[in-house]
Amino acid sequence: AQKITQTQPGMFVQEKEAVTLDCTYDTSDPSYGLFWYKQPSSGEMIFLIYQGSYDQQNATEGRYSLNFQKARKSANLVISASQLGDSAMYFCAMREGRDSSYKLIFGSGTRLLVRP
Amino acid sequence: DAGITQSPRHKVTETGTPVTLRCHQTENHRYMYWYRQDPGHGLRLIHYSYGVKDTDKGEVSDGYSVSRSKTEDFLLTLESATSSQTSVYFCAIRPDRGVVNTEAFFGQGTRLTVV
Repeated sequence: AQKITQTQPGMFVQEKEAVTLDCTYDTSDPSYGLFWYKQPSSGEMIFLIYQGSYDQQNATEGRYSLNFQKARKSANLVISASQLGDSAMYFCAMREGRDSSYKLIFGSGTRLLVRP
Repeated sequence: DAGITQSPRHKVTETGTPVTLRCHQTENHRYMYWYRQDPGHGLRLIHYSYGVKDTDKGEVSDGYSVSRSKTEDFLLTLESATSSQTSVYFCAIRPDRGVVNTEAFFGQGTRLTVV
C-alpha cells in the first residue's frame, strides 16, 4: 500500500499566485515526520520544510508553509507568491523508523510549472 | 553543501556487467542511504547504513549490494546489471544531531544506463 500519496502528477500556477501541492500519508506510528523536497530540472534534491507529528503549529519557511491536518493524514505544501524559479518537481516524504532504522519514504512527486 | 560526492556522475554499461557507484561524504555522518529515482515512482530506498559495516535493505534491494568499510564511503554494487536498473541513483546522508527528525541531504545523483 502506498504510504505517501501525491495525487497531482502535474500542476500549473500563474506567477505571483499561491499554489497548494497535495500529500497524504499512511502510518500507524504516533511519532513521524513529514518533509518536502524540491527537485529543479538540474536534478538536485533541495530540502524545503519539515513537520513533526507532535508539532502544534504548521511549519513555515519563507514562502513555504505546510498545511498539516493530522486527522486527515494530509501534509499539503503551500507556496505563496509563486516565482518562475519555483518550476520543479516536488516530493513529499515521511520518516519511518527511528535512529538506526530511520528512512525516508517518498511520494511519486508533483511537477509544478509556473506561468509568467 | 553537506559534503556529499557521488561518482561517477554518468555511466553507460552493458547488461550483465558489474557496476559500482560510490558515495563519499566529508563530515563523518553515521547514516547513509542509496535511492533510485524513476519516473512515476519518486525515490525508492535501495539500501542504507547506520555505521561502518552496518547496513540494511530498503524496499527495492534485489539485485543490489552495498558495503561500508569506512565512515566516509558507501558503495552500491550492481552485481550483474540489467536494463531495469537503468535509473538515476541518489546517495543521501542524515546528520546525527541527536534528534530523530533531521532532514536528509542528497548528492547530485548518478545517471546509470544499462544497454
